Amino acid sequence: GDSVTQMEGPVTLSEEAFLTINCTYTATGYPSLFWYVQYPGEGLQLLLKATKADDKGSNKGFEATYRKETTSFHLEKGSVQVSDSAVYFCALTASGYSTLTFGKGTMLLVSP
Amino acid sequence: DAGVIQSPRHEVTEMGQEVTLRCKPISGHNSLFWYRQTMMRGLELLIYFNNNVPIDDSGMPEDRFSAKMPNASFSTLKIQPSEPRDSAVYFCASSRLGEGVESPLHFGNGTRLTVT
Repeated sequence: GDSVTQMEGPVTLSEEAFLTINCTYTATGYPSLFWYVQYPGEGLQLLLKATKADDKGSNKGFEATYRKETTSFHLEKGSVQVSDSAVYFCALTASGYSTLTFGKGTMLLVSP
Repeated sequence: DAGVIQSPRHEVTEMGQEVTLRCKPISGHNSLFWYRQTMMRGLELLIYFNNNVPIDDSGMPEDRFSAKMPNASFSTLKIQPSEPRDSAVYFCASSRLGEGVESPLHFGNGTRLTVT
């Protein structure tokens, strides 16, 4: 079945550092890929998405590129802020949002 | 738009008691999802509805769990009897699916359930 593997956290960075959170997937066909973010005490929010190979999703300074050859969708940000501290979830769907499969999440902690 | 509204935000109950979690999806959304989040298992899909009809309940852990959606603006997740291992954060999410239109999942802020 479909699955998503994320790097384990927590990832601890200082403000303005470069961020990478790795995500790889296993799926049949051509899935759509997503990153969701969960701030403390809240539900998940869609951060960005990419629907086909080589697409780049971007939002709020975060970027991720759909790499079919390496089955990856790594999340990057050039300069993190304290307010980026949250849990980040990589997800995929092969056939619509009803079958969204999430990774286990990676906690990011950014210190001043 | 008020977003997906869940109640209560926190629920503490004793083992064996009945627990009912409530969800109001975003107006106009036709699909509703119940998820459970724990440290050990991460985010698990329990059940989802499309146009008020349960489509897939394979994630419901056992017969103690039941979910209903009597109309397009309300859903409940009931646990009876509750057990300590049911302690988790339960999320409701909604989206619009079908007819060539899809919207991302919109999550509520969750209900943190503690069963002692």
